[in-house]
Amino acid sequence: AQSVTQLGSHVSVSEGALVLLRCNYSSSVPPYLFWYVQYPNQGLQLLLKYTTGATLVKGINGFEAEFKKSETSFHLTKPSAHMSDAAEYFCAVSGSASGGYQKVTFGIGTKLQVIP
Amino acid sequence: DAGITQSPRHKVTETGTPVTLRCHQTENHRYMYWYRQDPGHGLRLIHYSYGVKDTDKGEVSDGYSVSRSKTEDFLLTLESATSSQTSVYFCAISDLTAGEETQYFGPGTRLLVL
Repeated sequence: AQSVTQLGSHVSVSEGALVLLRCNYSSSVPPYLFWYVQYPNQGLQLLLKYTTGATLVKGINGFEAEFKKSETSFHLTKPSAHMSDAAEYFCAVSGSASGGYQKVTFGIGTKLQVIP
Repeated sequence: DAGITQSPRHKVTETGTPVTLRCHQTENHRYMYWYRQDPGHGLRLIHYSYGVKDTDKGEVSDGYSVSRSKTEDFLLTLESATSSQTSVYFCAISDLTAGEETQYFGPGTRLLVL
């Protein structure tokens, strides 16, 4: 079984401040972890992913996330928020595929508000 | 860009009518998925397909059926729409490049059932 918990359904930061969106997961197998971003009225766009290897993962738009196995966490950060970062962010976990089928479990999402 | 389109993008229908949503991909991906997105629930899997005419149920499949007669098209049908099926529906594909499976999403279809 696998699950994702995103702490905080709404997060507000000032422009230029640190962005920290929290994600904890559970998985019975080594996980693949993802962050997606969704802008209003659009689909989900892959921000970054962790599969194997380096635990600090860099993504698009200056975001990064660190896989911490001991804490079962995959928090998303960005040093300096920009107005264009306002969106909803989804953390997701996937176990190894069975015959190629990738079961992905999504968190409920965190809406990021950036205050001028 | 994974070459995924969805149609229609918006639809309003009445309770009890059948509705079919279409997902089209241009890159010959084997795996395709239908999700629904609702506030407080994130994305939940409705059905998925692992090849032409090969489909299986997800976690919220009741009231939905799917078909895949061609690699590029994956159809989602609401046999008799209900107000609880008002949602945003997303199609996704799995990209298995280099063995790292990643799902990519279409733009979504907003469905309102009155």
